[in-house]
Amino acid sequence: SQQGEEDPQALSIQEGENATMNCSYKTSINNLQWYRQNSGRGLVHLILIRSNEREKHSGRLRVTLDTSKKSSSLLITASRAADTASYFCATDADAGGTSYGKLTFGQGTILTVHP
Amino acid sequence: NAGVTQTPKFQVLKTGQSMTLQCAQDMNHEYMSWYRQDPGMGLRLIHYSVGAGITDQGEVPNGYNVSRSTTEDFPLRLLSAAPSQTSVYFCASRRTANKNIQYFGAGTRLSVL
Repeated sequence: SQQGEEDPQALSIQEGENATMNCSYKTSINNLQWYRQNSGRGLVHLILIRSNEREKHSGRLRVTLDTSKKSSSLLITASRAADTASYFCATDADAGGTSYGKLTFGQGTILTVHP
Repeated sequence: NAGVTQTPKFQVLKTGQSMTLQCAQDMNHEYMSWYRQDPGMGLRLIHYSVGAGITDQGEVPNGYNVSRSTTEDFPLRLLSAAPSQTSVYFCASRRTANKNIQYFGAGTRLSVL
C-alpha cells in the first residue's frame, strides 16, 4: 500500500508565484525525500530531510517535516515555467535503523507553471 | 559517469511472451530496486537488492523475477507477460541503506497486448 499521500493532486499557478505541495505518511520514518519527474523522464532527487530535522532549504526549495503529524511540505518559491513537473515525496521507513532502499512513494502532485 | 542505464526504452510484447529489462549502474552502489509507475498510483516497488547475490520482494512482486549476480547489474524478468504489466518501469540505485538518495534510470515503457 502507498505510504505517502500527496495533495493537491494537481496545482496550476503563474510564474513568480509560490507552489506548496503536501505529503502525509503513515509509519515512522528514517528520512523523507522529495523527487521531481519531468514528463517522460526518470525521477530526480531534490532534497532529503531526516526525521530529526524540522526544516531544510535548497535554493528555491523549502521542505518542512512534522513527525508528530506525519506530514511534510515542499515549497517552491518564485516558480518558473521550467518547474513544471510532477513532484513526489518518498519515505524511508524506520525499520530497526535500516531501510534497505525501500523507498515508498506518494502518488505525486502535478505542478503546472504558466509563463 | 553514466549513472543508471536502462534498456530498452520501449518494448511491446504479446501476452505470454517473456523478456528481460536490463539495468546497470556504474556508481558501485550496493542497493538496487525496480519500480513500476502507473497513472494515479505513484511508484510501487517490485523487487530490490541489498547487494550482489541478495534480493527480496517489494510491494508488487508477482509475475517478476530478479537476480543480482554482480554489483553493477540488476535485470528484471517477466516470465509470461500479461496486459496488467503494461507500465513504465524504473530501475534505481543508492549507495547504502541509510540516509542516501536514490538515482533513477530513464525508464522502460512496456506495453503488453
